[in-house]
Amino acid sequence: KNEVEQSPQNLTAQEGEFITINCSYSVGISALHWLQQHPGGGIVSLFMLSSGKKKHGRLIATINIQEKHSSLHITASHPRDSAVYICAVTADKLIFGTGTRLQVFP
Amino acid sequence: DVKVTQSSRYLVKRTGEKVFLECVQDMDHENMFWYRQDPGLGLRLIYFSYDVKMKEKGDIPEGYSVSREKKERFSLILESASTNQTSMYLCASSLSAGHYEQYFGPGTRLTVT
Repeated sequence: KNEVEQSPQNLTAQEGEFITINCSYSVGISALHWLQQHPGGGIVSLFMLSSGKKKHGRLIATINIQEKHSSLHITASHPRDSAVYICAVTADKLIFGTGTRLQVFP
Repeated sequence: DVKVTQSSRYLVKRTGEKVFLECVQDMDHENMFWYRQDPGLGLRLIYFSYDVKMKEKGDIPEGYSVSREKKERFSLILESASTNQTSMYLCASSLSAGHYEQYFGPGTRLTVT
């Protein structure tokens, strides 16, 4: 069993929809990261959080340490949000989930 | 802005060839990492380095070696490329030693035929 599990693996949405991607982990962590990978490969960091909630534009990330769960929300989704979203946790190393592929259609 | 660059975006090599993948970062980061990314498996750490001339094995070091002669440059070497090393290779760097925020390069898609 993976130490970091994401759901769903694939997600399609219509432009404007509210999107939620979930991440559960089974190890002790000091931080959780949400990363975005566009076609072509480059990965950018969206959020690093260790408690509560962070917001950046239309993106919101939350974490519940007791439940070992985090969610990434995208409000008013747009086709340019189409990407793979990766959850990673800082334990004794960075442990990555396998990613959620999001496609937003006009 | 931190910039991490990789020498090639796409590379095609033959089985048995020696392959060099180069990574350069411009922010004076101490820590550098090499990952491979495969469908359904996520990113897996091959090697990392906390300092010049220093290296540590990650989760899947077999078939790979690394070199860090200068702080800004971290090279991944496939001594004798095999088809199961066909993958996306991503380099990253970070300021802190605690596996916190990492900055990634654009990736090199390597195909071994």
